[in-house]
Amino acid sequence: ETGVTQSPTHLIKTRGQQVTLRCSSQSGHNTVSWYQQALGQGPQFIFQYYREEENGRGNFPPRFSGLQFPNYSSELNVNALELDDSALYLCASSLDINEQFFGPGTRLTVL
Amino acid sequence: GNSVTQMEGPVTLSEEAFLTINCTYTATGYPSLFWYVQYPGEGLQLLLKATKADDKGSNKGFEATYRKETTSFHLEKGSVQVSDSAVYFCARVDSGGSNYKLTFGKGTLLTVNP
Repeated sequence: ETGVTQSPTHLIKTRGQQVTLRCSSQSGHNTVSWYQQALGQGPQFIFQYYREEENGRGNFPPRFSGLQFPNYSSELNVNALELDDSALYLCASSLDINEQFFGPGTRLTVL
Repeated sequence: GNSVTQMEGPVTLSEEAFLTINCTYTATGYPSLFWYVQYPGEGLQLLLKATKADDKGSNKGFEATYRKETTSFHLEKGSVQVSDSAVYFCARVDSGGSNYKLTFGKGTLLTVNP
């Protein structure tokens, strides 16, 4: 069984640019959640997708957006990058509330 | 709001020492509680969980008991190993109607020396 995978592993962008991060969920998992983990902090919930619809959102501005595809894979898009967007971005897939499986993350650096 | 608070680190122990990392949660709703571990340069791994009061989660020698009376979910291990060195996160999940999200503590860095 393939676990949660994310790409790319690392990414360097400059302020104002746009970025797309990708996540492949674990087989059969229909829910994907995205989290932002700043250095030295716990992960913060960005949003969740269930069956291709946004299903809940944390305290992040609209320039953070996402998609979920019919195969349940997902993308996180961030527009107009700011220095504070530098973080580890984690994707988690799940089938139910008590089991969320995390990918290895994408390390984004904004210069 | 719904939150978790865990003891700040870093925690440094010698191999075979007893470990406790404290975690408390706000007494709102009926959350499920979790401990996640993050090894250097990696994502999060679920260590253990408890879904209701008095449940005990256990895995790899780690244990935590969901205590409603003290709103706590402290992580313990009787004898730590060097390989346990990592950051540990306490978390809760609350169902917000049709969606659910994990709320994490700030993490506790554990270093185990040989």
